[in-house]
Amino acid sequence: RKEVEQDPGPFNVPEGATVAFNCTYSNSASQSFFWYRQDCRKEPKLLMSVYSSGNEDGRFTAQLNRASQYISLLIRDSKLSDSATYLCVEYNQGGKLIFGQGTELSVKP
Amino acid sequence: NAGVTQTPKFRVLKTGQSMTLLCAQDMNHEYMYWYRQDPGMGLRLIHYSVGEGTTAKGEVPDGYNVSRLKKQNFLLGLESAAPSQTSVYFCASMPRGGLETQYFGPGTRLLVL
Repeated sequence: RKEVEQDPGPFNVPEGATVAFNCTYSNSASQSFFWYRQDCRKEPKLLMSVYSSGNEDGRFTAQLNRASQYISLLIRDSKLSDSATYLCVEYNQGGKLIFGQGTELSVKP
Repeated sequence: NAGVTQTPKFRVLKTGQSMTLLCAQDMNHEYMYWYRQDPGMGLRLIHYSVGEGTTAKGEVPDGYNVSRLKKQNFLLGLESAAPSQTSVYFCASMPRGGLETQYFGPGTRLLVL
């Protein structure tokens, strides 16, 4: 079993929709988590950090559920420019950063 | 600051050839990482380093070696390239572990024939 697992999608949603992605992790000792965005095989860019119960940044909300070992990303009022692959990342004490396989989002007009 | 740079940007190798990919960062970061990305696989950690002179294996280390002789550089070596190593390679750095932002290089596209 992979340490970090995501639904690969694709998620096809209309503009203005709300969409949520989940990510599960297997290492209960993992300290913090991140959501990254990747466009067209370019380098990933940090979207949000998730190191407590969760946090919010504009239309984006990330939540962490340690009991069930998953994190989520909620995108409200989707824009065409949100189309990308969203990567869930786990950081553990040893310094390892492990990525999920990514969830593809396509926002349609 | 240039951030994280990778050399070369693109390379074609024949099976059995060797090469070294260079990652350089000018942000005085402690932690550095090498990933490979294949279609549908996300980024998989090859090797990483939490400080100068130290390296550790990631998820897919076989066929690769690394060195971190200087804090700002992290080298990834392919001793005998195989077609299965055709991929996009990303390097990343981070100030320290835990809550910091990671910075990625633009990637190296490697084709092994």
